[in-house]
Amino acid sequence: AQKVTQAQTEISVVEKEDVTLDCVYETRDTTYYLFWYKQPPSGELVFLIRRNSFDEQNEISGRYSWNFQKSTSSFNFTITASQVVDSAVYFCALRALNRDDKIIFGKGTRLHILP
Amino acid sequence: KAGVTQTPRYLIKTRGQQVTLSCSPISGHRSVSWYQQTPGQGLQFLFEYFSETQRNKGNFPGRFSGRQFSNSRSEMNVSTLELGDSALYLCASSKQGATNEQFFGPGTRLTVL
Repeated sequence: AQKVTQAQTEISVVEKEDVTLDCVYETRDTTYYLFWYKQPPSGELVFLIRRNSFDEQNEISGRYSWNFQKSTSSFNFTITASQVVDSAVYFCALRALNRDDKIIFGKGTRLHILP
Repeated sequence: KAGVTQTPRYLIKTRGQQVTLSCSPISGHRSVSWYQQTPGQGLQFLFEYFSETQRNKGNFPGRFSGRQFSNSRSEMNVSTLELGDSALYLCASSKQGATNEQFFGPGTRLTVL
């Protein structure tokens, strides 16, 4: 069975602090994709990143960075120098390329950036 | 470039009725996926269509169905509505499929009374 766990339901930090959102996944498949999406208060999900199971390189995009570790089945997301506009719900998702080819989302982490 | 559009944005129905939701993908995108979002169950995959063919389907009852037209526009239908079908229904499009970057629409908020 496949599963995505985002243990942090809600996080609050003060603006300019760094914050890490955790994502742990389970799959028996060797080929899979991991995603992060942002859902601001407007409701529209915004794609942030896709990573395939064969690419463990970490990625940095501006203030955002992602740490993919297959050894711990984790794909964590860090926001550096957080800003109020980062306030949103963040979802981690998994899609394994197998016969049961479905995307599975975590429950999401609600992030509050306090001014 | 226009984004993904969904109509209607809000809908109120009563139990037992049926509903059809529409999604227009970004021009050039051939894949459309549908998701249901509820506070209790979170985001759940409903189905994915690519070039008018259903590629895969989530674990939802047969009351949930969908289709895709030759212009890539997609509709989903829910028959015999239940209170538990109240949710935000999100549509997403991508060029090649849901393993690629997906662009989401604003969603249709369905309330079943």
